[in-house]
Amino acid sequence: SQELEQSPQSLIVQEGKNLTINCTSSKTLYGLYWYKQKYGEGLIFLMMLQKGGEEKSHEKITAKLDEKKQQSSLHITASQPSHAGIYLCGAETSGSRLTFGEGTQLTVNP
Amino acid sequence: ETGVTQSPTHLIKTRGQQVTLRCSSQSGHNTVSWYQQALGQGPQFIFQYYREEENGRGNFPPRFSGLQFPNYSSELNVNALELDDSALYLCASKRTGGDFEQFFGPGTRLTVL
Repeated sequence: SQELEQSPQSLIVQEGKNLTINCTSSKTLYGLYWYKQKYGEGLIFLMMLQKGGEEKSHEKITAKLDEKKQQSSLHITASQPSHAGIYLCGAETSGSRLTFGEGTQLTVNP
Repeated sequence: ETGVTQSPTHLIKTRGQQVTLRCSSQSGHNTVSWYQQALGQGPQFIFQYYREEENGRGNFPPRFSGLQFPNYSSELNVNALELDDSALYLCASKRTGGDFEQFFGPGTRLTVL
């Protein structure tokens, strides 16, 4: 079965700093989702990547999928307190089911 | 707003009881999945429904069952509740066919005492 490992598990940054969250898969990724979750709430869709080398950006968040399609990164530029939350990567397997990593807890201090 | 709604928001049950959680997905989203998220962990896939039939199941016992209705709503039923069933239950919907995103609802927080 596919496993996803996220790093780091938690991250504390000062407002304005850049940061990167990584997601590594034990198998080739055919669809990689990034979600953000506020504690105890639902998942907010950020981006979906499918092609090797693909890169997508939305506002100050950029997600990349490497050429080998086994690793993805999420980069936040000039972080703000509104970026705080749990970031989850999810790999799409058979039948559209998603396998998730354990999540990265991001804290942004003003 | 994802267009996916869930009810109730919170629920408290006692061990051995039964519970029904509900999800309403966007029009046209004919695939719905349910996930269980324990505290501090990523969501775990329970099962998926497509056109009112179960279309894949994760590592959950038969006491977890579901239904999908023609109006794109669905239910998750859990019988004989156990303490470990306490979690956030999330439903996600998407349009099958092509490369479409999955959108999640806000979740139902279930506490089993």
